[in-house]
Amino acid sequence: SQTIHQWPATLVQPVGSPLSLECTVEGTSNPNLYWYRQAAGRGLQLLFYSVGIGQISSEVPQNLSASRPQDRQFILSSKKLLLSDSGFYLCAWSVGALGNQPQHFGDGTRLSIL
Amino acid sequence: GENVEQHPSTLSVQEGDSAVIKCTYSDSASNYFPWYKQELGKRPQLIIDIRSNVGEKKDQRIAVTLNKTAKHFSLHITETQPEDSAVYFCAASGTEDSSYKLIFGSGTRLLVRP
Repeated sequence: SQTIHQWPATLVQPVGSPLSLECTVEGTSNPNLYWYRQAAGRGLQLLFYSVGIGQISSEVPQNLSASRPQDRQFILSSKKLLLSDSGFYLCAWSVGALGNQPQHFGDGTRLSIL
Repeated sequence: GENVEQHPSTLSVQEGDSAVIKCTYSDSASNYFPWYKQELGKRPQLIIDIRSNVGEKKDQRIAVTLNKTAKHFSLHITETQPEDSAVYFCAASGTEDSSYKLIFGSGTRLLVRP
């Protein structure tokens, strides 16, 4: 069966520091991968999505970036964090190239910026 | 692009009563509509989904209806229980490219009073 892993679970970082969040999927090949951010008590904002290795699409302008160095690995990065980057970051995957399929979420990373 | 509106933002019901959450979407080409349940501090979990070739789908106490003409879909929970208390999100598929992006509603906080 397929599983998705995100780490770390929680992270406290100072303003201006770099960021790297990692997501990996097991048990499937060539998945579609997604990064979302959820502010406290709010909805899900799509940040990036990827349909293949090295293919990244950005949904909103920001100081974050994403990379997909391997088929089942998706990384969210920042060179300099802002206070507004605080939130709950969720990675998700879906079966690729088969039309609309359910997205399955990881357990998320709760990021606090001080 | 797709836009999804969700109502109500909060809903309080007595245990055993029914709960209905409604969503409208803007892109008539959207063809996939999942619903997610998110408990406090946890990841969103898929509870039911419907595709545009059917008008209704049921899974035990949960049902979803879709009206393509009016471009709205609804989640129905019967015989509510305290463990149904959570935030529920509707979503609709984006059909602009092969990413099969989901556009989420803003969420409904459901409280089931014992």
